[in-house]
Order: sequence, then C-alpha cells, then structure tokens
Amino acid sequence: GAVVSQHPSRVICKSGTSVKIECRSLDFQATTMFWYRQFPKQSLMLMATSNEGSKATYEQGVEKDKFLINHASLTLSTLTVTSAHPEDSSFYICSAGVAGGQETQYFGPGTRLLVL
Amino acid sequence: TQLLEQSPQFLSIQEGENLTVYCNSSSVFSSLQWYRQEPGEGPVLLVTVVTGGEVKKLKRLTFQFGDARKDSSLHITAAQPGDTGLYLCAGKHSGTYKYIFGTGTRLKVLA
Repeated sequence: GAVVSQHPSRVICKSGTSVKIECRSLDFQATTMFWYRQFPKQSLMLMATSNEGSKATYEQGVEKDKFLINHASLTLSTLTVTSAHPEDSSFYICSAGVAGGQETQYFGPGTRLLVL
Repeated sequence: TQLLEQSPQFLSIQEGENLTVYCNSSSVFSSLQWYRQEPGEGPVLLVTVVTGGEVKKLKRLTFQFGDARKDSSLHITAAQPGDTGLYLCAGKHSGTYKYIFGTGTRLKVLA
C-alpha cells in the first residue's frame, strides 16, 4: 500500500526558532499534499493544501508567513514553522493524494512539536 | 468552524456491547470517509462512501451514508478492546480535493 513518512517524529525547540517538518510519499507520486494540525484531544484541522510546483492554499485563519509550505517534488512537501511559540506546540500530520485518485489520501504518522 | 459534528463526543462501553457513532452536517458531501486514530499516530482510513444511502460493512463495523449525503453513521457490533480509539469522519465537497474532519468520537472499550 501507499506509504507516507514524516520527519522528524518528535521535535523540541526553543521559542523563537524555526522548525522544518518533511512529508514524503515513499512509493507513489503525490500531486497534492495536505497539512493538518491536531491539538490534544481534538480533531484534525486542515491548515493548507500543497500542490507540486505551485503555491500552497491556506485555510482561513492560518498565517501563511508563519507556516511556510514548499512542495518541490511529487514526493516531498515541507512545512516550516517560523519563529515558533509555545502555542504552536501541536501534532502536525500530513497526507498525500494519489494522482488521479482524489478520493484517497494517505496519512503520515505525524510530528509532535513541543515549543519551550 | 467545524462543518461536521460527531456524537457522542466520548463513549465508554463494556466489551461485547454495540454502539453507533453519528456524523452530521448541514451541507452535502460528494464523499465521506471514516478513520480511526490511535494516540500519537496518523489516522487510518476505514471506509469511503460516495452514494446516498450506501451501506458498507467491514467485519463488525457497518457504515451508512445518509440518503441526502449530509450525514453518516458508524455502527460497531460486539465491541472489543482493540476498537478503542478516536473515530473521525471526514467529508469532501464536490469540486474540491480536500476533506474536512469531524469533531471526533473518542471510544474506550473496557475488557
């Protein structure tokens, strides 16, 4: 089956630093990748939709200058949390859509970010 | 704004009991998915429904898509401790690629 990986799985950083999270589709090409944020005991909230070779589309209320998304290839999308603050601490999950199969998205294992 | 409301929010039951989780919306979806998520992991897809009134079965799990494609239900028969987890519905509107997740139902099955 289609596999999506995320790196790192956990990261702890100091307030004010930037953190980059990678999302890779390992055995398929993903024209579209989605980034979600999940706070403890809550559901997933879509942050942005990332399309290969074009600018990401951000959901309402998500700061595009704070959450930088780059989708440079069909197998890699990155999310950079710039100038992270404690309130950015969360579980960040990506998913990848298979080209030609928009009904299916495969989720990564998530990245837990803790900002001190 | 959460477009998909799930109920109940929390559910704790004994092994062997049956349960139903509901996913409701005021808008129409072209497709709806159900996921289960374990703590610290990404959600795992259980089923996708696309036709109004559609019923799908996955072992002890029965999924139904409402006739108007605005709501869905998940019924678990004879729940087992391994069913414990966060159940999420996610709907997609026609003409878009993105899924919007429901508020979630946290299920705990006691042995």
